[in-house]
Amino acid sequence: AQTVTQSQPEMSVQEAETVTLSCTYDTSESNYYLFWYKQPPSRQMILVIRQEAYKQQNATENRFSVNFQKAAKSFSLKISDSQLGDTAMYFCAFTDISNFGNEKLTFGTGTRLTIIP
Amino acid sequence: AAGVIQSPRHLIKEKRETATLKCYPIPRHDTVYWYQQGPGQDPQFLISFYEKMQSDKGSIPDRFSAQQFSDYHSELNMSSLELGDSALYFCASSPGMDSPITDTQYFGPGTRLTVL
Repeated sequence: AQTVTQSQPEMSVQEAETVTLSCTYDTSESNYYLFWYKQPPSRQMILVIRQEAYKQQNATENRFSVNFQKAAKSFSLKISDSQLGDTAMYFCAFTDISNFGNEKLTFGTGTRLTIIP
Repeated sequence: AAGVIQSPRHLIKEKRETATLKCYPIPRHDTVYWYQQGPGQDPQFLISFYEKMQSDKGSIPDRFSAQQFSDYHSELNMSSLELGDSALYFCASSPGMDSPITDTQYFGPGTRLTVL
């Protein structure tokens, strides 16, 4: 079974600063995807970024980028030029794609990020 | 762009009643997933369907059942409701293997179920 660990329950940062959220995972599989989802106060689950394990290049989406260290099983999210709208709960998630029909998401416990004006 | 649609958005039931939650996936998405998120918790996988067949099952109580219909929409049926079933229920869908973003799940807005 896979596990996802987010060791930072809460973080806060000043607007326009850069913040990094940590995530580690444990799996014996070699084919998998990793995700960061954002859940603002509206409780909607919004996909932030996706990383395929077979790709060495770190994924980026505008102000969001990841540092994927496969050997260390680490997958951190960096938010640059943070904005008030980034205030949300952030979940790291894992999906195993090695076996068809087993692509459910396993989530970490989340990091509550607050952007301070 | 079209998103996942869930109905109803809010539902209030009494203990021991039944509830039906509906999910309409993004067009051309062939897999549907259901998750339950309790207060202050991360989402927990319940069940998934691929091409109208159950593909995986998680911690879903025997009181719950689900299916996917020919138009790909899915329904989660919950019977003998308990206070502990109060939660946010998400449906997510993902595109098929011919998509460059296969196995990427997009979530609906959720159905907030309150059991009194």
